[in-house]
Amino acid sequence: DAGVIQSPRHEVTEMGQEVTLRCKPISGHNSLFWYRQTMMRGLELLIYFNNNVPIDDSGMPEDRFSAKMPNASFSTLKIQPSEPRDSAVYFCASSLAGSRPYGYTFGSGTRLTVV
Amino acid sequence: DQQVKQNSPSLSVQEGRISILNCDYTNSMFDYFLWYKKYPAEGPTFLISISSIKDKNEDGRFTVFLNKSAKHLSLHIVPSQPGDSAVYFCAASSSGTYKYIFGTGTRLKVLA
Repeated sequence: DAGVIQSPRHEVTEMGQEVTLRCKPISGHNSLFWYRQTMMRGLELLIYFNNNVPIDDSGMPEDRFSAKMPNASFSTLKIQPSEPRDSAVYFCASSLAGSRPYGYTFGSGTRLTVV
Repeated sequence: DQQVKQNSPSLSVQEGRISILNCDYTNSMFDYFLWYKKYPAEGPTFLISISSIKDKNEDGRFTVFLNKSAKHLSLHIVPSQPGDSAVYFCAASSSGTYKYIFGTGTRLKVLA
């Protein structure tokens, strides 16, 4: 299994531009999570999907952020327009809902820099 | 409001000695806890877990202790090795939810 795959690994963009981050979860996992890592807040949950349906998006900072999961093998996190304060590492993770012992499997993350 | 807190941003320990990483939580509904380890430029990876029905879980050099009355858990690494140098996150969840709340992390440096 290739694990959770995120792309791109690094993204540098100018303020005001649209940014799209991509995630392919582990095959068979039915829950998908987007987290953001910052020094101040650690790993912050942005949104999570169960069976492709958004269950909790209370962590999405504002309307500039949106996430979709059109099918079980793909999800996107979009920021439009991007701002310098969005600079962070964004992680995608997946799990089999109800399977607690090992938590999630994380991807390697996308480091976003907005200048 | 941080429901899971790791108050020590960093910790340095000599190789061979014990590393103790601490985590506090505020939500009494949390009943399952995890520790993750994160190397630079990689995603966090699962290390060890504990259910609230236990007060200790051991896996090789790693032991997690849970004190429910104090809402405190700790991760002990004995003996510490240079390869243990990483950022450690604790995370908590409650039954019926599939999301984990993470702490801010503790950066452990094991000195050779």
